[in-house]
Amino acid sequence: NAGVMQNPRHLVRRRGQEARLRCSPMKGHSHVYWYRQLPEEGLKFMVYLQKENIIDESGMPKERFSAEFPKEGPSILRIQQVVRGDSAAYFCASSPAGANSEQYFGPGTRLTVT
Amino acid sequence: AQRVTQPEKLLSVFKGAPVELKCNYSYSGSPELFWYVQYSRQRLQLLLRHISRESIKGFTADLNKGETSFHLKKPFAQEEDSAMYYCALYTGNQFYFGTGTSLTVIP
Repeated sequence: NAGVMQNPRHLVRRRGQEARLRCSPMKGHSHVYWYRQLPEEGLKFMVYLQKENIIDESGMPKERFSAEFPKEGPSILRIQQVVRGDSAAYFCASSPAGANSEQYFGPGTRLTVT
Repeated sequence: AQRVTQPEKLLSVFKGAPVELKCNYSYSGSPELFWYVQYSRQRLQLLLRHISRESIKGFTADLNKGETSFHLKKPFAQEEDSAMYYCALYTGNQFYFGTGTSLTVIP
């Protein structure tokens, strides 16, 4: 089991472009979580998804951000019209059961907006 | 509002010395608390959770509801304990992470 995979590991986008971050959960895991880590800050919850469902998106900015976890394929975090303030490390975690079970983290994607 | 505070950004101790990484939380409900660790060039991983009441790699953490704390302790620090440590609070629908403490164990 390769663990949680995230790609790309590093992503550079100009202001106004779109960023797509991918997360492949561990085999057998149907729960995915996205976190954002801004410089000098802790991990901040963004969204919790199960296959084809968004369970909790209370941490997601209302505009420009969206997430999906389709029946087939990886979970995608999409940021439209990126701004400099979106520059951060984005981590994905997966778990086999509910949100209070152990979460397995991916290596993160570092997004830089120029 | 829910919050996790780790007051020490950096902590250095000598090998063999006791170590305590502080964590305080703010939550009106019944908390579930965790410690996660990130070793150099590795992923964030679970170290321990308070409901398990177990010792992992010599580390223990006791939930003190009166002081709303969940400090991580180890009596004798080892060089391999050098890492970034995050305290996390689970409130029933999401996790809240602290800003982390970078522990360096000096040989």
